[in-house]
Amino acid sequence: AQSVTQPDIHITVSEGASLELRCNYSYGATPYLFWYVQSPGQGLQLLLKYFSGDTLVQGIKGFEAEFKRSQSSFNLRKPSVHWSDAAEYFCAVGITGGGNKLTFGTGTQLKVEL
Amino acid sequence: SQTIHQWPATLVQPVGSPLSLECTVEGTSNPNLYWYRQAAGRGLQLLFYSVGIGQISSEVPQNLSASRPQDRQFILSSKKLLLSDSGFYLCAWNLVGNTEAFFGQGTRLTVV
Repeated sequence: AQSVTQPDIHITVSEGASLELRCNYSYGATPYLFWYVQSPGQGLQLLLKYFSGDTLVQGIKGFEAEFKRSQSSFNLRKPSVHWSDAAEYFCAVGITGGGNKLTFGTGTQLKVEL
Repeated sequence: SQTIHQWPATLVQPVGSPLSLECTVEGTSNPNLYWYRQAAGRGLQLLFYSVGIGQISSEVPQNLSASRPQDRQFILSSKKLLLSDSGFYLCAWNLVGNTEAFFGQGTRLTVV
């Protein structure tokens, strides 16, 4: 069965600093990978996704992520964090068939210091 | 365009009371539908999914049930709530063959 690990529960960065959120997955084949963001009390918004092709994917709000098969990783990055980026971030792996389900990591809470 | 509606936004219910949360999707046909629960520090746990009317798959044993009476309607229910049912419940949908999911705004359920 597939699984997702987000090793950092909380991360604090200063506004304007760079950001990297880690995500490792376990899956027997090439996965579909996603990053979602959740503001407090809200649903999840898709930031970006990787299905195939270029391993560096661009998303909304200036985020990007790089798929590294050799490391089973899909880390999320942003060159310069804004205070409005404070939220919880979830990495997910999806498989087609059997309900096209997503398996989520436990999330990383990002705090931005002004 | 497609939209997903989930209600109510917040709910406080006593232990032992029934529960009904509703989710509807507009602008698409035959979506896959999902109920997730989010507990503090535990990420999102898939509770149920449905690939069609009347077809429900349960991912974890629990005090809850789900139903899909119409193509774009997904209901989460309980006959008697437990304290442990408290959490943030999210409905989501995607299309057959596509794992990218779209989420509702969630329902905060507090069982007291």
